[in-house]
Amino acid sequence: TQTVSQSDAHVTVFEGDSVELRCNYSYGGSIYLSWYIQHHGHGLQFLLKYYSGNPVVQGVNGFEAEFSKSDSSFHLRKASVHWSDSAVYFCAVSARTGNTGKLIFGLGTTLQVQP
Amino acid sequence: NAGVIQTPRHKVTGKGQEATLWCEPISGHSAVFWYRQTIVQGLEFLTYFRNQAPIDDSGMPKERFSAQMPNQSHSTLKIQSTQPQDSAVYLCASSFDSQNTLYFGAGTRLSVL
Repeated sequence: TQTVSQSDAHVTVFEGDSVELRCNYSYGGSIYLSWYIQHHGHGLQFLLKYYSGNPVVQGVNGFEAEFSKSDSSFHLRKASVHWSDSAVYFCAVSARTGNTGKLIFGLGTTLQVQP
Repeated sequence: NAGVIQTPRHKVTGKGQEATLWCEPISGHSAVFWYRQTIVQGLEFLTYFRNQAPIDDSGMPKERFSAQMPNQSHSTLKIQSTQPQDSAVYLCASSFDSQNTLYFGAGTRLSVL
């Protein structure tokens, strides 16, 4: 069974601060890991994904995430946040093998960036 | 590229009525997914089509819910005899490649009174 845990339901920071949104997963096979962002009233938008190679992956708008097999983690980071980064962030895992393309999502972390 | 289009954006039904939600995937994408989003449960996978064929419907409630993809340009999710607990945002997504990047529509907010 695949599970995704996002330990922080809400994170509040000030504009210009750095931020790390935590994601831990549980799965016994080869996986893809990804992050998506959802602004209020909109669908989810892809940020970045990891499937092999360099454990640090770069995404859009200055976001990056680091995969750690030993910690079963895929934390999202940004060095300097902007007010427009306020949104809900979802971590997701999917199996690399088999005929399924479905993603299993965490419950999300709401990031609030204060001016 | 207009992205994934979902209609209607909002739908209000009375308890026991039927609701049909529409999704137009991105042209050229071979896979279509349906998810349900609520505050309590988060994003729940419902069903998945690849090249119009149903691949995985493990998340679909066995009664009252059905999904179809009659052609490559649209998919429908039908809920019969809607109940208040069906109230949620229903998200459709499509993908092109096997590396599972999903492109989501804006969703349909279903409210069952």
